[in-house]
Order: sequence, then structure tokens, then C-alpha cells
Amino acid sequence: DTEVTQTPKHLVMGMTNKKSLKCEQHMGHRAMYWYKQKAKKPPELMFVYSYEKLSINESVPSRFSPECPNSSLLNLHLHALQPEDSALYLCASSQDPVSGGAWGVFFGPGTRLTVL
Amino acid sequence: AQKITQTQPGMFVQEKEAVTLDCTYDTSDPSYGLFWYKQPSSGEMIFLIYQGSYDQQNATEGRYSLNFQKARKSANLVISASQLGDSAMYFCAMRENLQTGANNLFFGTGTRLTVIP
Repeated sequence: DTEVTQTPKHLVMGMTNKKSLKCEQHMGHRAMYWYKQKAKKPPELMFVYSYEKLSINESVPSRFSPECPNSSLLNLHLHALQPEDSALYLCASSQDPVSGGAWGVFFGPGTRLTVL
Repeated sequence: AQKITQTQPGMFVQEKEAVTLDCTYDTSDPSYGLFWYKQPSSGEMIFLIYQGSYDQQNATEGRYSLNFQKARKSANLVISASQLGDSAMYFCAMRENLQTGANNLFFGTGTRLTVIP
């Protein structure tokens, strides 16, 4: 299994809703990432989990809450979002180069989020 | 300072011809990795090719090759024998501080490639 999966593919939510995005990988990767991508822009890093611990939080608003229940799963909990949060949310994973792993970062297909 | 610079917002290439997409980078770290990704309109970010800073030879993966010029800090992607399915956005990206385990991946602004029949 050499892929990263994300659910749902599309999500429409109101500003008062609570929803979650899910990401899963079975490649034994120990780093997992959330990126946000607006139209015609490059992806922007939101969070990185390394060995199931949050290692990078790029000053993301608290209405986005990441969770890493185990080494294969990564969730992004959404609450009280704003219309400007509408974007493509990409999950990615990689091995740990410090421990001799390969350096490639592999992405899932993304979740297209629309906030009304 | 911008870590990754892609100066070509858009490129056109005739089918079956080769095309070069430019990428320059900025880092003071001796240990870094350079990547190219393809993003079609569906949104998926597809990993194409990787070059490590200590690699002596240019990376190749099928029709993709990476022209790595370390002294000039450039990592251009060459696509040979272009196909209609190559039409997409292409991003150059870099990971640095790999020996300390830092896990950020910096992206350039992308180049939209259009293959003309």
C-alpha cells in the first residue's frame, strides 16, 4: 500500500458546524502533515506530527484542531470556520530522514472544503 | 527571502517536444532535498522526482529528469516527449535541515504547463 487516503473528498459546512477531516497512511511513515491550498496558490503548511507528537504549528487559528490518534491516522477537527477557510486541504506523510528513511513527501488527494 | 523561486507562471509546449521548468532555491543548510510535484486540475499533488543535496548525479524518473546545478542553486525539471496528460501545475519544493529532522516542505509558486496537440 503506497498511498495516502483522505475523507471526505468534498465537504460543505456552515459557520456553526463541527466537522472532521480524516487522513490515513499504511506506509509506516512517522511524519504526517496538514496543508491548506487556496486556488492558484502553493500549499501552505498548517501542522506537522512527528512520531505522533505535534512538532510544527504554523500559527494556525484555534478553530482548526489537529489530532494524531496513532501512527497511521491524522485528523483535522473544524469548528466555527469562516468563509475564507474554504480551500483544498491536503494531508501528506513521509519517513524520517534522520533515522535513515527516504526523503519523499507523499500527498493524499485532498478534501475540498466550502464554508458557507 | 523566498526559499523556492519559480519564475515561469505559465509555459506552453508542443506535444512530443521536451520542456524545461525552472526552479531556484535559497538555503544555507548543507543537507537538503529538492522535489518536483505535478498537480492536475483534480487537485492531487503527485510526487515526480527527488534530488538530494549530496547526490552526485542528476535524478531521473522515466520522462522526468532534474537538472541539478548546486553552485547556481538551481533544480530545473526537464520533461521529455511531452504528452497531453502532462498539462498541469508543477511545483518545485525543498526540505532542509534534514539531519535534524525538520519536516517542513517549502513550495514555489508553481508553473502551469499546457501541452499543445
